Amino acid sequence: DGGITQSPKYLFRKEGQNVTLSCEQNLNHDAMYWYRQDPGQGLRLIYYSQIVNDFQKGDIAEGYSVSREKKESFPLTVTSAQKNPTAFYLCATGFSEAFFGQGTRLTVV
Amino acid sequence: GENVEQHPSTLSVQEGDSAVIKCTYSDSASNYFPWYKQELGKRPQLIIDIRSNVGEKKDQRIAVTLNKTAKHFSLHITETQPEDSAVYFCAALSRGGNQFYFGTGTSLTVIP
Repeated sequence: DGGITQSPKYLFRKEGQNVTLSCEQNLNHDAMYWYRQDPGQGLRLIYYSQIVNDFQKGDIAEGYSVSREKKESFPLTVTSAQKNPTAFYLCATGFSEAFFGQGTRLTVV
Repeated sequence: GENVEQHPSTLSVQEGDSAVIKCTYSDSASNYFPWYKQELGKRPQLIIDIRSNVGEKKDQRIAVTLNKTAKHFSLHITETQPEDSAVYFCAALSRGGNQFYFGTGTSLTVIP
């Protein structure tokens, strides 16, 4: 289904807890992105990676961390430093066109 | 960096009417402008795109126009149908081609 798989679809986080969102792609794309979407707002870039073992901060990187150990995988960790993590998170890949995963809806409980 | 602005934020049209969504961008070096449709709870999906070497592109009921001089591009949907109801995002690919900048989205409602 589009070659990009995000998991889980729904995730609940307790206060002070770190959680990791998974993003895997089989499109052989070098570039991968993480976006955050809040109700009524656009897509805000958290982190992006152009090649393995390299990544760059986006506009709202504070409280998040990523890794890019494999071309196929770009996991996002939402740390306890992120004070308002409840949102819809979208992973994307591509260079001249962005292909999106199905998203993970994270809720703080 | 690039700044993309999108208007309107909400749009309601009667079924069969046309809908137009407009975006402006700031970086004259941006050269690729895709449009995405996002249905409720689903992923954004590319519906049409345009590159800076053309002024207009059409695909059935959907068209996109680009004015490089004025740095704005628009999405036109003709003969709207209820299934066109969704949030639409414009985007611009940054100088160097390593980052997409998205507009804030337009929630389109087509009234039967």
